[in-house]
Amino acid sequence: EAQVTQNPRYLITVTGKKLTVTCSQNMNHEYMSWYRQDPGLGLRQIYYSMNVEVTDKGDVPEGYKVSRKEKRNFPLILESPSPNQTSLYFCASSYTRGRVNEQYFGPGTRLTVT
Amino acid sequence: ILNVEQSPQSLHVQEGDSTNFTCSFPSSNFYALHWYRWETAKSPEALFVMTLNGDEKKKGRISATLNTKEGYSYLYIKGSQPEDSATYLCAFYGGSQGNLIFGKGTKLSVKP
Repeated sequence: EAQVTQNPRYLITVTGKKLTVTCSQNMNHEYMSWYRQDPGLGLRQIYYSMNVEVTDKGDVPEGYKVSRKEKRNFPLILESPSPNQTSLYFCASSYTRGRVNEQYFGPGTRLTVT
Repeated sequence: ILNVEQSPQSLHVQEGDSTNFTCSFPSSNFYALHWYRWETAKSPEALFVMTLNGDEKKKGRISATLNTKEGYSYLYIKGSQPEDSATYLCAFYGGSQGNLIFGKGTKLSVKP
């Protein structure tokens, strides 16, 4: 089944404790992206990757890191999480950058930083 | 910063009503307009990707139109059903910024 998977789905952590949210897709998509969703705001892009070893900042990259060592995986790293990073996070992928190709979203990760 | 506006923010209709909502986006450097359906506790799923001015797309009871010259798209739902209850997101792709810019969504509630 074609899908984007994320782990964990739910996470409660404390300020400053490094964490990684994994994202994997099985559709051989070149483009992958991380978004965060906060109440009253639209989906905001954190980082994206156009292909292996190619990553770039989105609209809200501060406090996050990513890597793209393999085509299928695009982990999101929070080196020192803070409470303002409490949010719902989505990973998404598409064949190309998104001009005409729909994005496939993972199930979401709800992160709470206390 | 490019802005994508959706209206209304929320909408409550009765089962069987037809409804529509709007997505407004910059009319310059247009490449594509995406519509997604996002049910509570699930992830957004693509409905349509539209690229040409005057484009009309249809999937079952849901259809969308696109006017790139004036910068708007309409999403129509004919004969709303409770299972249509969801947040409908539009996203603009413009060549200058190179990534999808999402609106805040229209939350539709359909009462049986």
